[in-house]
Amino acid sequence: EVQLVESGGGLVQPGRSLKLSCAASGFTFSNYYMAWVRQAPKKGLEWVATISTSGSRTYYPDSVKGRFTISRDNAKSSLYLQMNSLKSEDTATYYCARHGGEQPPYYFDYWGQGVMVTVSS
Amino acid sequence: DIVMTQSPFSLAVSEGEMVTINCKSSQSLLSSGNQKNYLAWYQQKPGQSPKLLIYYASTRQSGVPDRFIGSGSGTDFTLTISDVQAEDLADYYCLQHYSYLTFGSGTKLEIK
Repeated sequence: EVQLVESGGGLVQPGRSLKLSCAASGFTFSNYYMAWVRQAPKKGLEWVATISTSGSRTYYPDSVKGRFTISRDNAKSSLYLQMNSLKSEDTATYYCARHGGEQPPYYFDYWGQGVMVTVSS
Repeated sequence: DIVMTQSPFSLAVSEGEMVTINCKSSQSLLSSGNQKNYLAWYQQKPGQSPKLLIYYASTRQSGVPDRFIGSGSGTDFTLTISDVQAEDLADYYCLQHYSYLTFGSGTKLEIK
C-alpha cells in the first residue's frame, strides 16, 4: 500500500524559513517523480514543486520559484520542501504527492494526508 | 501558462441523478505523439486529501466506480457522475499536466 506521510508543519513568522518532510513507503521511491501541492484554507489546489527520480531536475511555478527548494533522499525514501522568505499567502495545507503515468509529463496518483503551514506574526 | 476554466462552481442534486462538471483549457491538451489528453480528475471529500478518479481524460483509476466517466479531447473535458450517491459529496478538480501542472478552480457537489 502506497503511503506518504508529511511532517514539519507549524506556525512561522513572515520572512522566516521552514522545511517539510515526506516519508514514503509501499513502493520503490526512486522510480517515481515526486511533488508538493498546496491548498490554502477554503481554496483550491496549487502545484508547488516537482522533482525527477534522481533529483537532478526540479520544476516550480513562478509563485514560489527562488524561495522554495524541493529535494529528495532516495536512500531514505524521503522528500523535502525547503521554504524560505515565507509570506502570509504561503499559508496552506501542503500535500506530498507521487507522480504517476506512462511517461512525462505526469499527473498525481497518490497523495499524503497533508501538513498545515501557517505564516503569521 | 495553461489556464483551466472549471464550471459550475457548485451544484446540488438528489441521489440517483446525474451531474456533469466541465473543464476548458486555454490550449489543447492532446499530445500529437501518443494521442493522449493530459487531463486528470480528482475527488476531495471533506477533511480528506484528493483522490485520483480519471487520468488521460477518460481512463478510470483502479477501484473507482464506473459511474464516474471522463470524456472530451483537445480543450474541452467533462466529468460525468451517473446515479449520484450520498458518498459522492465532495469537491472535484481537473488537472492539466500537458505543460507544467494547473488545476481547475474546483466544483462543490452537494446532495439534496
